Amino acid sequence: GNSVTQMEGPVTLSEEAFLTINCTYTATGYPSLFWYVQYPGEGLQLLLKATKADDKGSNKGFEATYRKETTSFHLEKGSVQVSDSAVYFCALESGNTPLVFGKGTRLSVIA
Amino acid sequence: DVKVTQSSRYLVKRTGEKVFLECVQDMDHENMFWYRQDPGLGLRLIYFSYDVKMKEKGDIPEGYSVSREKKERFSLILESASTNQTSMYLCASSVRRGRGTQYFGPGTRLLVL
Repeated sequence: GNSVTQMEGPVTLSEEAFLTINCTYTATGYPSLFWYVQYPGEGLQLLLKATKADDKGSNKGFEATYRKETTSFHLEKGSVQVSDSAVYFCALESGNTPLVFGKGTRLSVIA
Repeated sequence: DVKVTQSSRYLVKRTGEKVFLECVQDMDHENMFWYRQDPGLGLRLIYFSYDVKMKEKGDIPEGYSVSREKKERFSLILESASTNQTSMYLCASSVRRGRGTQYFGPGTRLLVL
């Protein structure tokens, strides 16, 4: 079946550090891939997505590239801010089945 | 902007009570979902609905039921609340099947004593 594995947290970084959160997937067919973010006390919101191989999703300085050969969709940001502190979820959708989420990675950015 | 609202942010109930969690979306979305979120377990899908009066079991439906009488409203029902149902409950909606972007409500944190 479909599944998503993302690196376990928590991840603690200093402001302006480089961020990578790894995400790999297993899926039948050709999935779409997503990163969602959950800020403290809120629901999830879509951060970025990619619908086919080699697509790059980007938003708010975050980027992720859909790599079919390595079945990965790693999230990166060149310079994190305190306001990026949140929980990040990788997810995939394949066919008409509901989204499958990873377990989430908590990021804390300290000034 | 899509808006998904949940009836309560915090709820405290007693073991054995019947609990209703309400979710309303204002964008005419066909699909609606209920998840629970627990530390270390991420999001787990309880039930979902692809149309009015339709419902399908997710990964952990035991102890829950749902109702979707109107397109915009999707209710999660705990028939007899138990302490292991203490959790954060998240509702989401999306346009239709195969269109993955889901829009989430703020969540209901339920404590069952």
